[in-house]
Amino acid sequence: AQRVTQPEKLLSVFKGAPVELKCNYSYSGSPELFWYVQYSRQRLQLLLRHISRESIKGFTADLNKGETSFHLKKPFAQEEDSAMYYCALNAAAGNKLTFGGGTRVLVKP
Amino acid sequence: SAVISQKPSRDICQRGTSLTIQCQVDSQVTMMFWYRQQPGQSLTLIATANQGSEATYESGFVIDKFPISRPNLTFSTLTVSNMSPEDSSIYLCSVEDKGARNPSQFFGPGTRLTVL
Repeated sequence: AQRVTQPEKLLSVFKGAPVELKCNYSYSGSPELFWYVQYSRQRLQLLLRHISRESIKGFTADLNKGETSFHLKKPFAQEEDSAMYYCALNAAAGNKLTFGGGTRVLVKP
Repeated sequence: SAVISQKPSRDICQRGTSLTIQCQVDSQVTMMFWYRQQPGQSLTLIATANQGSEATYESGFVIDKFPISRPNLTFSTLTVSNMSPEDSSIYLCSVEDKGARNPSQFFGPGTRLTVL
């Protein structure tokens, strides 16, 4: 069975500081990994996926199969990055997402 | 990406009653999913709803408690039956948008259910 772990429930950083959200997964096959974000009073939305290998809103995430990690990083956090972030795994069969527990990011001015 | 709406957005219900949540998509999609987010917790998949077939339920969820309908490619309902306070959660539907440049799951706004 697959599992996604986000060890930090809360990350508090100052504006302009780097931020890294940790995500570790366990899955025996070839996973597809995502980061979703939920801003205050908004719906859950896709931030990025590892297949795209793109930077969205300054965020990047690299899949490290050796460490089974998919950490989300941004070099200079902005106040508008304050939100709840969820790492999710899509097992190869079934298109079913398994979510981590979520990390709340608070960017202080 | 697909535009998804849910009704109701929130409700407060009495123990023992049932509530049906609707999910409407602005385009035809093959796969629709229902998730639950209990207070302070992450999202958990309840079931996958494909048009023309029975829903597929995840471990710990049963059809008698969470019956699902999928009458066409743009609509689905989830019923929370014989509710108890433990059913108080946010219920979300999502769709896989295969028409998107990079197919991914997109979520509705959620239905916040409180059971007294």
